[in-house]
Amino acid sequence: QKEVEQNSGPLSVPEGAIASLNCTYSDRGSQSFFWYRQYSGKSPELIMFIYSNGDKEDGRFTAQLNKASQYVSLLIRDSQPSDSATYLCAVNTVNFGNEKLTFGTGTRLTIIP
Amino acid sequence: EPEVTQTPSHQVTQMGQEVILRCVPISNHLYFYWYRQILGQKVEFLVSFYNNEISEKSEIFDDQFSVERPDGSNFTLKIRSTKLEDSAMYFCASKSGTRDTEAFFGQGTRLTVV
Repeated sequence: QKEVEQNSGPLSVPEGAIASLNCTYSDRGSQSFFWYRQYSGKSPELIMFIYSNGDKEDGRFTAQLNKASQYVSLLIRDSQPSDSATYLCAVNTVNFGNEKLTFGTGTRLTIIP
Repeated sequence: EPEVTQTPSHQVTQMGQEVILRCVPISNHLYFYWYRQILGQKVEFLVSFYNNEISEKSEIFDDQFSVERPDGSNFTLKIRSTKLEDSAMYFCASKSGTRDTEAFFGQGTRLTVV
């Protein structure tokens, strides 16, 4: 069973601070990793994806990938109250050439004004 | 901006009834998916569909479930005889390619089985 693990939180971060979200995965063959944001009762919304080791920055968001440690993280700089949501880590798992996303349980993030 | 649309947004059905959840994927996309999310739980893969056939299905996707792409635009999920435990949000997703391409999610259908 290919697993994706996240700390479910809740994680509380003061407004303006850096929020750090972590994720580990079990399938060493995974190549693509996605961070989605999900507001309560809504669908997942892609924030960014990463497939190379190292950092990838997009505005206030930075994704970090370490394939040797099977670890992917998301940093949110200058956190805003509107960033309060559940953040889902998803791994593109491949089974005989067929792809699907395997999701973690999500980390609930609350930004405190 | 192109989007995946799902109807209805909310469906209430009696246990044992059949339901059809509908999705219109983004028009040039080739890969289609159904995921579900039981309240408070993780998003779970149900089935993938490519080239007019199922590519992969999960253990959840038993004989009560079926998918169709009847007319080249709609993509439907049918549950033949609903159970209470089928109550969940059902998300349709589509993508244009493999590996590093984004899967676009629809807004979801909340299915409530009573």
